[in-house]
Amino acid sequence: AQTVTQSQPEMSVQEAETVTLSCTYDTSESDYYLFWYKQPPSRQMILVIRQEAYKQQNATENRFSVNFQKAAKSFSLKISDSQLGDAAMYFCAYFDSNYQLIWGAGTKLIIKP
Amino acid sequence: DTGVSQDPRHKITKRGQNVTFRCDPISEHNRLYWYRQTLGQGPEFLTYFQNEAQLEKSRLLSDRFSAERPKGSFSTLEIQRTEQGDSAMYLCASSFDGAKETQYFGPGTRLLVL
Repeated sequence: AQTVTQSQPEMSVQEAETVTLSCTYDTSESDYYLFWYKQPPSRQMILVIRQEAYKQQNATENRFSVNFQKAAKSFSLKISDSQLGDAAMYFCAYFDSNYQLIWGAGTKLIIKP
Repeated sequence: DTGVSQDPRHKITKRGQNVTFRCDPISEHNRLYWYRQTLGQGPEFLTYFQNEAQLEKSRLLSDRFSAERPKGSFSTLEIQRTEQGDSAMYLCASSFDGAKETQYFGPGTRLLVL
């Protein structure tokens, strides 16, 4: 069964600086999708970025980018120029062949003004 | 496109009562998912519909839980004889065939069982 691990329960970063959130996963599949979602306090889950495993190029969305290392089964999220609105729980998720999202436990990101 | 909506947003009930939640997916999305999220944890998959067919159910979905999606539009999730352990956020998400792996979430229904 696939598993997703986020080893950082909490991270903090100074506003305008860069922070990297870690995620590792375990799978025997060769083709899959990976996602980062953010969940602000008492608000809904928002898609941040997605990565197809067959694509070697790392996905980017404005200030958000990933470092996808397929062999190492690592999928980290880099947030550049951190803003106060980036404060949230960040979840890494794996989309499996049963159409389910398998989730990590989340990383709480704190932005210091 | 108004996004995924869920109703109610909050529900407080007494143990043993039945509750029903509703999810309206994005209009052109034919796939609909239910997840449960407890405080401080990531969501856990409950069940999945493609159109009106329920294709996958988690073993987390006990006999007290039932989900329907009549006519392949909105979906309902019912919990019978609620228990305190059912207290959680219930999330609904939808996707479409062109990008079935990319799910968009509603605001969730927060359930508190007293």
